[in-house]
Amino acid sequence: ETGVTQSPTHLIKTRGQQVTLRCSSQSGHNTVSWYQQALGQGPQFIFQYYREEENGRGNFPPRFSGLQFPNYSSELNVNALELDDSALYLCASSYLGLQETQYFGPGTRLLVL
Amino acid sequence: AQSVTQPDIHITVSEGASLELRCNYSYGATPYLFWYVQSPGQGLQLLLKYFSGDTLVQGIKGFEAEFKRSQSSFNLRKPSVHWSDAAEYFCAVGENRGSTLGRLYFGRGTQLTVWP
Repeated sequence: ETGVTQSPTHLIKTRGQQVTLRCSSQSGHNTVSWYQQALGQGPQFIFQYYREEENGRGNFPPRFSGLQFPNYSSELNVNALELDDSALYLCASSYLGLQETQYFGPGTRLLVL
Repeated sequence: AQSVTQPDIHITVSEGASLELRCNYSYGATPYLFWYVQSPGQGLQLLLKYFSGDTLVQGIKGFEAEFKRSQSSFNLRKPSVHWSDAAEYFCAVGENRGSTLGRLYFGRGTQLTVWP
């Protein structure tokens, strides 16, 4: 157990809808990273937040957005859902610094119909 | 460009046999290297990590990995596999920002099946 929690565990949406996924960081961590893992693939980096500011972004369109709150929890928002957004969304928390290590939550499985 | 290659999509071994999972990376600076394991429907669990120093690193569950800079490799090994080791294994290289870690670049994973 890493102490990183995510909600919900599963979600079904239809194309064009919007979705919000949530992540609670491990105690003492100040950085949150989000990844998308399509079926049969390795995780792909979406973005990272540090102290409520975006601290790096992968090759994802602007309809993927995020927030980090003062307690270091985080949200991932996806607008105008597409079928290809169906994936496992993983949140990882870490403490920014030397030998920083990302610890992952169990993920949210999103299915877009 | 940064990338990670795991050449073996699927490996099958017998319980008690030794295991080596291959990982090659492409990264311009000194890499931070990780191995994670994922059981079905689960998140990623950290097995071990390399930042600097001794090139042979020990992890949890009896796993070890060796960093070979000349070969751009970070292969994962275990001397005797247990049935509970059946899972998907991901190698990752972390973005080196000097004093912090940025994004992780993952390979496509190697699925390990263990025969009793």
